[in-house]
Amino acid sequence: DGGITQSPKYLFRKEGQNVTLSCEQNLNHDAMYWYRQDPGQGLRLIYYSQIVNDFQKGDIAEGYSVSREKKESFPLTVTSAQKNPTAFYLCASSKMWGATDTQYFGPGTRLTVL
Amino acid sequence: DAKTTQPPSMDCAEGRAANLPCNHSTISGNEYVYWYRQIHSQGPQYIIHGLKNNETNEMASLIITEDRKSSTLILPHATLRDTAVYYCIVNAGGTSYGKLTFGQGTILTVHP
Repeated sequence: DGGITQSPKYLFRKEGQNVTLSCEQNLNHDAMYWYRQDPGQGLRLIYYSQIVNDFQKGDIAEGYSVSREKKESFPLTVTSAQKNPTAFYLCASSKMWGATDTQYFGPGTRLTVL
Repeated sequence: DAKTTQPPSMDCAEGRAANLPCNHSTISGNEYVYWYRQIHSQGPQYIIHGLKNNETNEMASLIITEDRKSSTLILPHATLRDTAVYYCIVNAGGTSYGKLTFGQGTILTVHP
């Protein structure tokens, strides 16, 4: 089946540690995205990538970093500089970057900082 | 991006049509209207989108007013599995091209 996988589903880290969230897609999509969702809130865009080897900051990029070395992979690192990292993180992809293109979402990773 | 306004919550009886409104009075000519939904603790799911004309797919219908200032998502025969948060989004071109802005959405509860 084609789709987006995120791992792990639940992640715990100690304050001050960096952690990397995985996102893989086998849809052959060019564009990929990372969103953050806090309880009772909508999604906020962290980073996006229009094509391999390229990525751009979204609305709340501070304290996060990404890479896009392969078309199918877009890992997100939550660094110790992120002040409030506890949240639900969602990865998405679309065939191409564009207003008419549907985004497909993964199941999400729930990160808790202890 | 144009902002959207949705009611915070709605109820619907199982088997009946669910009509979810969205106001986007500042929408511009090149902005599409998208609907996504999110079932608790899962990733959002695309439902439908449109520009000017009404649209229908296997999940829902989208009715856009002639002036494009509002729209309605219709789930023709709601089931308990349709209980979710429904997001209405408008997407602009330019520097926001491809970016979706999710508000707080409408919590739809389908009851037996």
